[in-house]
Amino acid sequence: DTAVSQTPKYLVTQMGNDKSIKCEQNLGHDTMYWYKQDSKKFLKIMFSYNNKELIINETVPNRFSPKSPDKAHLNLHINSLELGDSAVYFCASSPWTRNYGYTFGSGTRLTVV
Amino acid sequence: AQTVTQSQPEMSVQEAETVTLSCTYDTSESDYYLFWYKQPPSRQMILVIRQEAYKQQNATENRFSVNFQKAAKSFSLKISDSQLGDAAMYFCAYRSINAGGTSYGKLTFGQGTILTVHP
Repeated sequence: DTAVSQTPKYLVTQMGNDKSIKCEQNLGHDTMYWYKQDSKKFLKIMFSYNNKELIINETVPNRFSPKSPDKAHLNLHINSLELGDSAVYFCASSPWTRNYGYTFGSGTRLTVV
Repeated sequence: AQTVTQSQPEMSVQEAETVTLSCTYDTSESDYYLFWYKQPPSRQMILVIRQEAYKQQNATENRFSVNFQKAAKSFSLKISDSQLGDAAMYFCAYRSINAGGTSYGKLTFGQGTILTVHP
């Protein structure tokens, strides 16, 4: 059973389109995250949710909107895609009160053409 | 804000030898967690080892161990008896556990070090 699953794994789309990436975890964790890995492999947090509540919202364009329908799911919707949005997007989860490392999904490679 | 620096963009090691990857960090917090993650070409992020700042004893996981120097804010990873499967990008990461802070739970990553293992 996959612990943190993201769909799709690859996404190629044209500039200006709107797209969504879905994430689900079956670990019983109450906190989920979105990270962006750029072309230089640098990983930076975008958002975190704890029990469906937004906790961290880094300086991300408002074209990016996370949605957490329940604590096992965290989706990322991106409006009006730009070339600079091309990256790998990772979903992750962890318990809120226990400081283990995150469990990451396998990533979604987004290519905007 | 916390920062994490990995000063070695690339390292290489012969199979069966030992290699050490460096990491330094900056924080004003007294309690936190540090991690090393491995990212092979498959791009999956894999947790290698974890260190709690309040523990003086260095963490060890099989062939992987850390040298944690809290005063120097240094957290290096030693890989012993290197194997071909160790070839990957390695990331050092800091996790804030300051419950009152806006960064609670946030993992801050270094720039990564690419490790090549030669047969």
